Amino acid sequence: GENVEQHPSTLSVQEGDSAVIKCTYSDSASNYFPWYKQELGKRPQLIIDIRSNVGEKKDQRIAVTLNKTAKHFSLHITETQPEDSAVYFCAASTSGGSNYKLTFGKGTLLTVNP
Amino acid sequence: IAGITQAPTSQILAAGRRMTLRCTQDMRHNAMYWYRQDLGLGLRLIHYSNTAGTTGKGEVPDGYSVSRANTDDFPLTLASAVPSQTSVYFCASSPGQGGYGYTFGSGTRLTVV
Repeated sequence: GENVEQHPSTLSVQEGDSAVIKCTYSDSASNYFPWYKQELGKRPQLIIDIRSNVGEKKDQRIAVTLNKTAKHFSLHITETQPEDSAVYFCAASTSGGSNYKLTFGKGTLLTVNP
Repeated sequence: IAGITQAPTSQILAAGRRMTLRCTQDMRHNAMYWYRQDLGLGLRLIHYSNTAGTTGKGEVPDGYSVSRANTDDFPLTLASAVPSQTSVYFCASSPGQGGYGYTFGSGTRLTVV
């Protein structure tokens, strides 16, 4: 089955700096890569996703890049703010066939220091 | 009900007791999932259901069972709880294939003592 590795496990940045979280996946058939943000005590919520026919996607201060050849994808947060502090999860899945489920990375705890 | 609802919010359970965690969604999503979240281990899939009447095992199914009698409900049962099942449990649902449109419930914090 799919295996998703996520690095780093913790990341501390100063407010205004950029943050980058990287993930690798094992299944070359995977073609959907979402990112979730989980604030303390809350449920994970989708913040951005990318499909394998696209190399990069942006939404305001966040962006995701995908390298299918290397089987890795990254989350980029620019101009970080204290409210960006949370645990971020990457995930991967394949569409088609009988696969409906996401496989998640182990998460990255991002701390943005004021 | 709006979205996906889990109950109870939290529970302290004596080891050896039976417990059912409830999950209900009103979005008519075909697929539903149960994950457990433990510090440093991320979200691990316990069981899933692609459609009503079918279920499948995830990464960590031992000690848990599920049923999917209808589209809306997907209960998770611990037949005889053990301390290692202390965790936060999240139910999720999605419309169909490929993991698109995952929506998570608010979670159940379970402590087995």
